[in-house]
Amino acid sequence: NAGVTQTPKFQVLKTGQSMTLQCAQDMNHNSMYWYRQDPGMGLRLIYYSASEGTTDKGEVPNGYNVSRLNKREFSLRLESAAPSQTSVYFCASSKGFGEKLFFGSGTQLSVL
Amino acid sequence: SQQGEEDPQALSIQEGENATMNCSYKTSINNLQWYRQNSGRGLVHLILIRSNEREKHSGRLRVTLDTSKKSSSLLITASRAADTASYFCATGGTGNTGKLIFGQGTTLQVKP
Repeated sequence: NAGVTQTPKFQVLKTGQSMTLQCAQDMNHNSMYWYRQDPGMGLRLIYYSASEGTTDKGEVPNGYNVSRLNKREFSLRLESAAPSQTSVYFCASSKGFGEKLFFGSGTQLSVL
Repeated sequence: SQQGEEDPQALSIQEGENATMNCSYKTSINNLQWYRQNSGRGLVHLILIRSNEREKHSGRLRVTLDTSKKSSSLLITASRAADTASYFCATGGTGNTGKLIFGQGTTLQVKP
């Protein structure tokens, strides 16, 4: 099993550009999450989807949008990238909401 | 915020010694989880302890939870160089606030 797959692994954007981070899981999990990790800040929850068809804001949702495309896929969109969005982004999934998380390998995003 | 806060921020020990990391949180929780992150990688789940449990073991890991003090500790016994990593606690709130919120982590260095 691949587990949680994120694409791309690396991305460089210019300020104002848009992009979508893709995430897919093959474990038939109900819940999916997007986190960002910055040095000294730990992981911060951006958005989550407790179950297919629902999405909710996390701790730091401003500047992002998400789509739970189906049970497997949960994408994160930056409409107009800003340097403050330079970070490592992790997608995760869990069988039940708030249960054990399985993480993808991360996307390193730089916004110049 | 129910965010977990880890202590210490950094820990350096010799191989064979025990390592203890602590996590404190602010609000009632459904469960508390510990994760490990090797440099440049995604997070890996170590152990989950529910609010009605006081202690849990997994191999060389021992986790305790004191809900009256809103704190948890992770003990790694007989540490190995391969245990060198960052360790994070994550707290899952009750009810529909079950989203997992991570602390800033403890960086553990185990010297051979």
